[in-house]
Amino acid sequence: EAGVTQFPSHSVIEKGQTVTLRCDPISGHDNLYWYRRVMGKEIKFLLHFVKESKQDESGMPNNRFLAERTGGTYSTLKVQPAELEDSGVYFCASSQPYGVRGTEKLFFGSGTQLSVL
Amino acid sequence: GENVEQHPSTLSVQEGDSAVIKCTYSDSASNYFPWYKQELGKRPQLIIDIRSNVGEKKDQRIAVTLNKTAKHFSLHITETQPEDSAVYFCAARIQGAQKLVFGQGTRLTINP
Repeated sequence: EAGVTQFPSHSVIEKGQTVTLRCDPISGHDNLYWYRRVMGKEIKFLLHFVKESKQDESGMPNNRFLAERTGGTYSTLKVQPAELEDSGVYFCASSQPYGVRGTEKLFFGSGTQLSVL
Repeated sequence: GENVEQHPSTLSVQEGDSAVIKCTYSDSASNYFPWYKQELGKRPQLIIDIRSNVGEKKDQRIAVTLNKTAKHFSLHITETQPEDSAVYFCAARIQGAQKLVFGQGTRLTINP
């Protein structure tokens, strides 16, 4: 079974630029989550998709962040314009559809290390 | 909302000794508590989890205990080995919600 795939693995951009992160979840996983870890701190929730719908976007920091999941497959997270405080590791995770045994188990991608200079 | 505090932030133990990492949560409605391990350069992976209707769960050298009254849960690793070196994250999920709220992480180092 292929795991959750994220790319790029690293991105270095200047303040004010735009960056788009991509996540390919495990096939059949309706639930897709975006999380972020700023250096040394907790893995913080950003948002949750169920298929193509945003179920919970309470963790999105501000309107510079835009997440999409057209067609309910892969997802993108765009940061525009990027600020210094956006630096961190962005994780994507997916899980089985709600109601399926094990739906609470998250499968993480390897993350995208974003550095905003 | 839910808040999870994790301690210690770093932990160093001798190989063969035990390691304990503790977490507290704020929302008594939380009912699911997983632990994730992130080895250097790799993705976080679930190693053990516990639900609120159980007080303890064990899987070989790792165990998790839950005290609902005190709202804290702990990860116990016995007979530690070098491959146990990693960052460990605890998390909690509120009943009815699907997102996990994570602790700050503990960097565990096993000294040979």
